Amino acid sequence: DSGVTQTPKHLITATGQRVTLRCSPRSGDLSVYWYQQSLDQGLQFLIQYYNGEERAKGNILERFSAQQFPDLHSELNLSSLELGDSALYFCASSSEGNEQFFGPGTRLTVL
Amino acid sequence: QQQVKQSPQSLIVQKGGISIINCAYENTAFDYFPWYQQFPGKGPALLIAIRPDVSEKKEGRFTISFNKSAKQFSLHIMDSQPGDSATYFCAATGRRALTFGSGTRLQVQP
Repeated sequence: DSGVTQTPKHLITATGQRVTLRCSPRSGDLSVYWYQQSLDQGLQFLIQYYNGEERAKGNILERFSAQQFPDLHSELNLSSLELGDSALYFCASSSEGNEQFFGPGTRLTVL
Repeated sequence: QQQVKQSPQSLIVQKGGISIINCAYENTAFDYFPWYQQFPGKGPALLIAIRPDVSEKKEGRFTISFNKSAKQFSLHIMDSQPGDSATYFCAATGRRALTFGSGTRLQVQP
C-alpha cells in the first residue's frame, strides 16, 4: 500500500459527460501528479500540483482540468468525454525528492 | 528529446533465470531513473531507482546498471520467480514529472 488513495475505483459514463476523479496524497506529501495510462499511449504525465499551485503541465487536453485543495487532496475533472478518454488515471504524490508513489488508479470507461 | 525507449516489449524467463530489461534516454537533464513494477489492476509500485553518479545499485534480487556516456540503464532481476511476473516500466525525470518507457511484460515460467 503506497499510502495514496484514489476514488472511485471504476467509473462508467457516456460520451459528452463530465466526471471528477479524486486523489489523496500520502501524509506530508505536497506534490500531486496525474498520469493517464492507455494501451496505445502508455503512461503519460498530465499535470502536477505543489501545495495548491499548478507546477507543471504535460499532455493534458483543454477539456481536462485539475486542482489541489488546502487539505492537499486533488481532483481531476474530465469534461465532454470521448471514447478515447477511456483509460486508467493514476495520481502519484511525492515530498521534496524525486520518489513518486502511485495510487491504485481509477478506471474510466466512456461508452 | 523527452523520450525513454524500453526493450524488450515482452520477456519470458524460466524460474531461477535472469531477467534483463533495457532503457535508453535522450535528455541529458534527466538525473533520476526509477523502475516501477505494475501488476494487473494495480498502480505502478516503485521498485528501485538510481542517480547518474553511480554505475550500479542493488537491492535484493534487483539491480540497476547505469551507463551515463551511452545514456542507457537496465534492470536485472536475479533468480526470477513466478511472483515477479508483471509489467516493468523504466522512467526518468529531471525534477519534474516522470517520463516513462513503454513497458516490458515479464512472464516467469515455473
